[in-house]
Amino acid sequence: DIQMTQSPSTLSVSVGDRVTITCRASQSISAWVAWYQQKPGKAPKLLIYRASTLQSGVPSRFSGSGSGTEFTLTISSLQPDDFATYYCQQCHSYPVTFGGGTQVEIK
Amino acid sequence: EVQLVESGGGLVQPGGSLRLSCAASGFTFSSHWMHWVRQAPGKGLVWVSRIQTDGSTTTYADSVRGRFTISRDNAKNTLYLQMNSLRAEDTAVYFCARAVSDYFDLWGQGTVVTVSS
Repeated sequence: DIQMTQSPSTLSVSVGDRVTITCRASQSISAWVAWYQQKPGKAPKLLIYRASTLQSGVPSRFSGSGSGTEFTLTISSLQPDDFATYYCQQCHSYPVTFGGGTQVEIK
Repeated sequence: EVQLVESGGGLVQPGGSLRLSCAASGFTFSSHWMHWVRQAPGKGLVWVSRIQTDGSTTTYADSVRGRFTISRDNAKNTLYLQMNSLRAEDTAVYFCARAVSDYFDLWGQGTVVTVSS
């Protein structure tokens, strides 16, 4: 199975900060990565797919990059609604696997 | 409205069974592969199973293979997960999700399964 190692596990930030979350795959997965946002008690929400394509309706402050084994989710200027947990997912092969999550919390 | 609504969760003893349902509306259900993903309390997301548009192909995580069965009824726009021989480690929120190229663009709200004596 492909392992997705996400870092950091927790991020303490302020509104307006630039946030970068990294995901590393245990083998090359081209651009087959998606990013999700999850708030407590809610379902995950798709933000980015194919490493860098913004899902319809997602604010442009979210962006994704990377290929091969290293991937990044960036929030250019954190807004109050962005405090949540973020997960990466590899869609390259089965079983699809998720990173361990990054909790973005208020500093 | 485009949505997925799960039901069927609850408290069950170890070794017991449950059947989860996921009712789809607002989109052409029969055109999409569908998946189950679970999340244990305080933990991350774990993929469980998938089913092809016509039900002809199914895939399972190693942890549930032989105990869980995914199925669908396209006439009823409903996805199912039959869970047998349940274990404490199956305790989780179970989400159904619509797939597009193996990423998940639509999720249900989740249904809670608790396996405990």
